[in-house]
Amino acid sequence: DTEVTQTPKHLVMGMTNKKSLKCEQHMGHRAMYWYKQKAKKPPELMFVYSYEKLSINESVPSRFSPECPNSSLLNLHLHALQPEDSALYLCASSQDMRQGASYNEQFFGPGTRLTVL
Amino acid sequence: GENVEQHPSTLSVQEGDSAVIKCTYSDSASNYFPWYKQELGKRPQLIIDIRSNVGEKKDQRIAVTLNKTAKHFSLHITETQPEDSAVYFCAARPLNSGYSTLTFGKGTMLLVSP
Repeated sequence: DTEVTQTPKHLVMGMTNKKSLKCEQHMGHRAMYWYKQKAKKPPELMFVYSYEKLSINESVPSRFSPECPNSSLLNLHLHALQPEDSALYLCASSQDMRQGASYNEQFFGPGTRLTVL
Repeated sequence: GENVEQHPSTLSVQEGDSAVIKCTYSDSASNYFPWYKQELGKRPQLIIDIRSNVGEKKDQRIAVTLNKTAKHFSLHITETQPEDSAVYFCAARPLNSGYSTLTFGKGTMLLVSP
């Protein structure tokens, strides 16, 4: 399996809802990433997990809560979002990301299109 | 941190023409430069990449060149086809004290007219 999968494809939620985005890969990659992408903009890094540990949090508001239950799964828990959080949320994975590791291509999932009403 | 500038923001060409997209980066320690193609509503897909120890890499109609001294790299697409129409993002991967991640350019929308 050489793909990163994400569910759901689309999500509409109210500002008081709690929802979760899911990401899965079976390539044995040990680094997983959450990105947020607005229309016509580049992906914007949110979180990075390396070996199931949160390594990078790019000052993301606490209404976004990541979780890495195991090396294949990555979740993003959403609570009390704002309309400006509406975007495409992309998951990505790479073989590794520690300094000194071999160069790492990042493979993206298809994304979840999130709309916050 | 790393800063990646990408030009042009929009590029329109006729089918069969060549297209060139240019990026500059600020961190001389960056050592990996991928290019992603993103079609409307789809995921970014890696189309080619180059490491800092080579100056050029080709894959059929696509080539990337790297000038480490000038800190710029370019994507070249020859014999463009309508299906090449997409947004292209360049990126640079700096090595810092701990972990390294990709810094993306702002993207170039390539439009190939039949």
